[in-house]
Amino acid sequence: GAGVSQSPSNKVTEKGKDVELRCDPISGHTALYWYRQSLGQGLEFLIYFQGNSAPDKSGLPSDRFSAERTGGSVSTLTIQRTQQEDSAVYLCASSSKIGGGGTEAFFGQGTRLTVV
Amino acid sequence: AQSVTQPDIHITVSEGASLELRCNYSYGATPYLFWYVQSPGQGLQLLLKYFSGDTLVQGIKGFEAEFKRSQSSFNLRKPSVHWSDAAEYFCAVGTGYSTLTFGKGTMLLVSP
Repeated sequence: GAGVSQSPSNKVTEKGKDVELRCDPISGHTALYWYRQSLGQGLEFLIYFQGNSAPDKSGLPSDRFSAERTGGSVSTLTIQRTQQEDSAVYLCASSSKIGGGGTEAFFGQGTRLTVV
Repeated sequence: AQSVTQPDIHITVSEGASLELRCNYSYGATPYLFWYVQSPGQGLQLLLKYFSGDTLVQGIKGFEAEFKRSQSSFNLRKPSVHWSDAAEYFCAVGTGYSTLTFGKGTMLLVSP
């Protein structure tokens, strides 16, 4: 597609339920990032994927969070047993190179997750 | 690991006045530096980027930023602010080996 696409745009879920957030990166981009944006907290790095290399999961806040990237394209971020503190906007970005090396990261519109 | 500090959480500027948003980074080598803007309800849009060469970079919407290695800074400037510039601004650093690291953002308010 023309840009990074995320779905759903909004998700309201009950505490304790699992949720899946989807990201379709720009075609051909090998690097894919997930960030979490909470009010006043800026962008918190969660995980990134670079080609066939092992993902960097160092930003995942707990073992309730996991992500996968199938076929080097679409990525799914899964949050199990959601908690109210998981409420945030989850942003996905893709880039043709890792770490911004030589190019920019393009962001999707985000998924606003509300846990009630 | 790299880090980014944006010391100002909020800044209010009168329309037509000049603007400078501060950004300091921590990284041992020359980083890749970015400024992004996020308008309410919108995604992040790249304003400008620094990779190498000329330390003064021009971006979209009349913004510019200057890389100062000695101060580990990459401050964003605009000579005359417009009401439409009201948004949140994020500085980010990349190394080419790991993820992009963002600052906590500076919210710009523009007064009439």
